[in-house]
Amino acid sequence: GAVVSQHPSRVICKSGTSVKIECRSLDFQATTMFWYRQFPKKSLMLMATSNEGSKATYEQGVEKDKFLINHASLTLSTLTVTSAHPEDSSFYICSATGTSGTGELFFGEGSRLTVL
Amino acid sequence: GQSLEQPSEVTAVEGAIVQINCTYQTSGFYGLSWYQQHDGGAPTFLSYNALDGLEETGRFSSFLSRSDSYGYLLLQELQMKDSASYFCAGDVYNTDKLIFGTGTRLQVFP
Repeated sequence: GAVVSQHPSRVICKSGTSVKIECRSLDFQATTMFWYRQFPKKSLMLMATSNEGSKATYEQGVEKDKFLINHASLTLSTLTVTSAHPEDSSFYICSATGTSGTGELFFGEGSRLTVL
Repeated sequence: GQSLEQPSEVTAVEGAIVQINCTYQTSGFYGLSWYQQHDGGAPTFLSYNALDGLEETGRFSSFLSRSDSYGYLLLQELQMKDSASYFCAGDVYNTDKLIFGTGTRLQVFP
């Protein structure tokens, strides 16, 4: 099956700093990846669609200048949380569509960000 | 807008059958998926309904009725390890985007 790897799994940072999260498709090429955010005991909220070689498409209400997404290759998308604040603390999960044709999304392991 | 509503919590005992419902408010979904998520983990795919009707995959079955904007996940022969959160998700027409439902926390008791 398709494998998506995310790094780091956990990160703690100080307010005002920037944090980069990587999402890699290990055994397939992903022209499109998705970034989700999940607060405790809540659902996954789609933040943006990451397109290889072009600008990301952000969902309504998501600040594109705060959550920078780069999809420079067919196997790597990065999410950078800039000038992080405690309210940015959350579980960030990336995903990519595999090649099975079932519409199944393959998820990374997730990255838990804690901003102090 | 697009929204998918689920009951927040369901409880059941081992060996029982439980149904988790999902109602949605848009006609813009191509199909309906179901995902399982254990605490602290990533969602894992369970099933997908592209057409109306019942899809069976082992102990799990999923149903979709487009005319009623409704679907459900049926879990049979419940096991303790089935305790998790379950999400329905609609894939939006002409995109690869998945919009997730509000989620249902299932607790299975011995």
